[in-house]
Amino acid sequence: RKEVEQDPGPFNVPEGATVAFNCTYSNSASQSFFWYRQDCRKEPKLLMSVYSSGNEDGRFTAQLNRASQYISLLIRDSKLSDSATYLCVVYRPITGGGNKLTFGTGTQLKVEL
Amino acid sequence: DTAVSQTPKYLVTQMGNDKSIKCEQNLGHDTMYWYKQDSKKFLKIMFSYNNKELIINETVPNRFSPKSPDKAHLNLHINSLELGDSAVYFCASSQDDISGYNEQFFGPGTRLTVL
Repeated sequence: RKEVEQDPGPFNVPEGATVAFNCTYSNSASQSFFWYRQDCRKEPKLLMSVYSSGNEDGRFTAQLNRASQYISLLIRDSKLSDSATYLCVVYRPITGGGNKLTFGTGTQLKVEL
Repeated sequence: DTAVSQTPKYLVTQMGNDKSIKCEQNLGHDTMYWYKQDSKKFLKIMFSYNNKELIINETVPNRFSPKSPDKAHLNLHINSLELGDSAVYFCASSQDDISGYNEQFFGPGTRLTVL
């Protein structure tokens, strides 16, 4: 089982739609949680952190459920420019020292006219 | 004034060759990383260095040898290239990774194709 699992999509939605992505993680030692965005042939960039209390950044809302080891991202009023791959990412310490980010395989979103 | 830069952007080479990818960051960060993104878009950490010291080595074949001449640079040398090494390699950096999470900034990637 992968440490971070996501539905790969693609999710094809019309402009203005609301779309939700889900993610589960397997390692309970995971400490911090994020959504990254990766455009085609570009590097990943941090979209937002995810907190247990839920957090919002404009049209984007992220939620974490530690008990279920589940993370979500909601995008409201989708724009064409939201088309990208959304990567669920967890951060945890590793044996021997240091910490690492583990990425899900990403969910592809295509917003259409 | 690119924050994390990598060279080359594209690298096409024959099986068995040895090649290097260079990475530089001008953010003053202490920690640098190499990631590999394969054809299925799975992004996985390979190495991390903190102040020139190796912190993470994620069971990468020893044909891959990172070198950090100073904390602003982390180069990746690959010996005896194989077809399966074809991927996009991303360098990243962050402020001190020892005490907890700090945002990682990624370079633009190096697309390696082994023929």
